Amino acid sequence: DTGVSQDPRHKITKRGQNVTFRCDPISEHNRLYWYRQTLGQGPEFLTYFQNEAQLEKSRLLSDRFSAERPKGSFSTLEIQRTEQGDSAMYLCASSLSGQVNTEAFFGQGTRLTVV
Amino acid sequence: AQKVTQAQTEISVVEKEDVTLDCVYETRDTTYYLFWYKQPPSGELVFLIRRNSFDEQNEISGRYSWNFQKSTSSFNFTITASQVVDSAVYFCALSADKLIFGTGTRLQVFP
Repeated sequence: DTGVSQDPRHKITKRGQNVTFRCDPISEHNRLYWYRQTLGQGPEFLTYFQNEAQLEKSRLLSDRFSAERPKGSFSTLEIQRTEQGDSAMYLCASSLSGQVNTEAFFGQGTRLTVV
Repeated sequence: AQKVTQAQTEISVVEKEDVTLDCVYETRDTTYYLFWYKQPPSGELVFLIRRNSFDEQNEISGRYSWNFQKSTSSFNFTITASQVVDSAVYFCALSADKLIFGTGTRLQVFP
């Protein structure tokens, strides 16, 4: 499978615990995005990387959230001290940057439930 | 600020009916891209079309067609002769450097 891969697909955690999600983009894609989607809403932008550089972070990304893309390939999104409001689907996408704004390809997401 | 509005929360049709999903956007950028994505019950977002701000030609792909009107900041999506498999949530999105999504329109096609 050469698409965007996310792991795990589902995560249930107790409030206050830390969680980490992984995203493996399409191999030749240099841009990687994280989005969050709650029930009945569209995906909300969290942050994106171009290669290993984190170029933008949304105000939605509180201090408890951190994302990394250390070698410009896979990325991790960590949530510290999880809260019930963090329950959502976390989507990763990748694309090729360049003069033409290409479409982003999305993974199947990680569904987080905080109990 | 960039914003995408999909005023239709849910649409229900009977198979073979035509249906149009509305999308209105706001941006101050002169160069931008508009997208439609489909999210079936499985949850994965599936890319349908990209259109840049300088190309107002309408596009048809099989039963799908898109009407881009810059004057009204709209990028509407029509499905002709809808099928049950078209049932999904459809998102319109705007991009200058990152995708900004609307809230989506849930389409239910009944047999």
